[in-house]
Amino acid sequence: EVQLVESGGGLIQPGGSLRLSCAASGFSLTDNFLTWVRRAPGKGLECVSLLHKDARTYYADSVKGRFTISRDTSRNTFYLQMNSLTAEDTAVYYCARGSPGYDHGTRFDFWGQGTLVTVAS
Amino acid sequence: QSELTQPPSASGTPGQTVTISCSGGKSNIGSNPVNWYQQIAGAAPKLLVYGDNQRPSGIPAGFSASRSGTSASLAISGLQSEDEADYYCAVWDDILYGPVFGGGTKLTVL
Repeated sequence: EVQLVESGGGLIQPGGSLRLSCAASGFSLTDNFLTWVRRAPGKGLECVSLLHKDARTYYADSVKGRFTISRDTSRNTFYLQMNSLTAEDTAVYYCARGSPGYDHGTRFDFWGQGTLVTVAS
Repeated sequence: QSELTQPPSASGTPGQTVTISCSGGKSNIGSNPVNWYQQIAGAAPKLLVYGDNQRPSGIPAGFSASRSGTSASLAISGLQSEDEADYYCAVWDDILYGPVFGGGTKLTVL
C-alpha cells in the first residue's frame, strides 16, 4: 500500500530554517517524480517544488534560492529544506507522488496528510 | 496570480449539475493534459480527474471533465452535499517548465 507521511512542521521565527520530511512506503522514490505543494491560509494550492525522476528540480519563483528538495533513497524519504522563512511561507505543506511512468506532470496520485508550518515571532 | 483562471466560487442544489471552468494559455492547457483535484476542508487534495477526462478508480461517474483549446472544465452531476469542497485544475506549463494550479473554486451545495 502506498503511503506518504510528512513530519517536521511547526512554529518558526522569521529568518529561520526548517526541514520537512516525507517518508514513503509501498513504492520506490526513484520510480516517481515527487512534489511539495502548499496551501497558505485563505489561498489556493501552490506547487513549491518538484523533483524529476532523474533528479532535476523545479522551484516556484516564490521559494527559489531558499528551498531545496532532495531525496534519500536509502531511507525512501524525500525532503524540503526551507531557509530564510517569512510569514508568507506560513501554510500547510503536502508531499505528493507523481503517477508512475511519467518524468513530470501534475498527476499526483498519492498525498501525505499535510504538515503545518507557521512562521511568526 | 495563477496562469490558470478559475471562478472563485460556484454553487448548486442537490441533484443539479455544476460546471467549473479553467482558462489558461498555449503553453499549459493548450499543450498538456489537465488534471483536477478536490480538497475537502481539513483534508489533503485528492486526484479527481487525470489526463483531461479519466477518473481514477473509486471516483464516481458523476465527475467528468474535458479540454478544448486553452480551456478545460469539470462537471459535477447529481450534486450531493459531500461534494462541497474546493476544486483545482492543474497542468504542466512548458514555458515555466513546471506545474501550475488554478486559483481554485469553492463549491457550495445549497
